Amino acid sequence: ETGVTQSPTHLIKTRGQQVTLRCSSQSGHNTVSWYQQALGQGPQFIFQYYREEENGRGNFPPRFSGLQFPNYSSELNVNALELDDSALYLCASRLDRVLSYNEQFFGPGTRLTVL
Amino acid sequence: DQQVKQNSPSLSVQEGRISILNCDYTNSMFDYFLWYKKYPAEGPTFLISISSIKDKNEDGRFTVFLNKSAKHLSLHIVPSQPGDSAVYFCAASGTGTASKLTFGTGTRLQVTL
Repeated sequence: ETGVTQSPTHLIKTRGQQVTLRCSSQSGHNTVSWYQQALGQGPQFIFQYYREEENGRGNFPPRFSGLQFPNYSSELNVNALELDDSALYLCASRLDRVLSYNEQFFGPGTRLTVL
Repeated sequence: DQQVKQNSPSLSVQEGRISILNCDYTNSMFDYFLWYKKYPAEGPTFLISISSIKDKNEDGRFTVFLNKSAKHLSLHIVPSQPGDSAVYFCAASGTGTASKLTFGTGTRLQVTL
């Protein structure tokens, strides 16, 4: 069984640029969530996608957007990058949004540095 | 506003002894609580969880206790092993928001020989 994978591992961008991060869910998982983990903090929920639609969003501005594809892989897009966007971005997948709670499986993350 | 708090940034325990990691929460709507373990350069790994209808859940060396009246939970690791050295995150979710986890800031556990 393939776990959650993310690409790239590391990324350096400059302020004002745009970035796309990618995630492949664990096999059979149709719900994906994205989290931002700043240095010294716990992960913060950005949004969740279920069957290609955004379903739940945390306290992040609209310049954070996402996509989920029919194969349940996902992208996180961030426009107009700011220095504070420097963080570890984590993708997590779970089996089905409508079932009773089940655990989320996290990928290794993408380390984004904004200069 | 930090709804899930882990007030101890770090903890050092001798191998074989008990490790106790604590977590407090403020949101009464949380009804499911989880502990994740994180090694450097890896994503968080699910460890153990507890529903608000229970006050204890065990899985091998790991036990989670929930005190709803105090809005407090703790993770006990017995006996502690060097491989347990990692950052431990407490997380919580509310009804209908099962995918939205609210995390604490983490406690770094070091198990010494």
